[in-house]
Amino acid sequence: DSGVTQTPKHLITATGQRVTLRCSPRSGDLSVYWYQQSLDQGLQFLIQYYNGEERAKGNILERFSAQQFPDLHSELNLSSLELGDSALYFCASSPQRGVSYEQYFGPGTRLTVT
Amino acid sequence: GDSVTQMEGPVTLSEEAFLTINCTYTATGYPSLFWYVQYPGEGLQLLLKATKADDKGSNKGFEATYRKETTSFHLEKGSVQVSDSAVYFCALSDRDGGFKTIFGAGTRLFVKA
Repeated sequence: DSGVTQTPKHLITATGQRVTLRCSPRSGDLSVYWYQQSLDQGLQFLIQYYNGEERAKGNILERFSAQQFPDLHSELNLSSLELGDSALYFCASSPQRGVSYEQYFGPGTRLTVT
Repeated sequence: GDSVTQMEGPVTLSEEAFLTINCTYTATGYPSLFWYVQYPGEGLQLLLKATKADDKGSNKGFEATYRKETTSFHLEKGSVQVSDSAVYFCALSDRDGGFKTIFGAGTRLFVKA
């Protein structure tokens, strides 16, 4: 158990809908990262927050947004969903934002768009 | 930009065989390097890391050495077990570009009894 929790575990929704994925980092960790894992694209970095502020952006679509709240939990919002958004979404956390810190991954949310 | 290239899988070995999974990287700064492992149905977990050139990371019999001259961080294990069957990801984290972590495509390992 990494100490990172993600809800829900599974989500099935229709095209055009909007969903919110939630992540609680390990106790004391200030950085939160979001990743998308699909069969054809591998593990793609989406976005990073540090202590409530956005710090790095990866291949995140404009239809997706995220935020980190004062209690450090984070939410990833996906809107106008398309079939290609079906994937595993992972949240990870680390204590600081330095390059030497490893990340602790949650169990993931499996999103299926029908 | 930064990138990580690792050998394509799947890799299939018999129990007690020697394992090497190749990983090379390109980076503009002085990255830290990581190997993560993903067991079926789970999230990634750190296997080992190295933060500067010539450092050797090791854990659970796995080893990798940070080679700046060849920009490589190959993963090795002397004797694999069935329980090592998983997907292995090489990754780097670099200050340039905002502390992003870049992952390789992953290499699936199957170990037969």
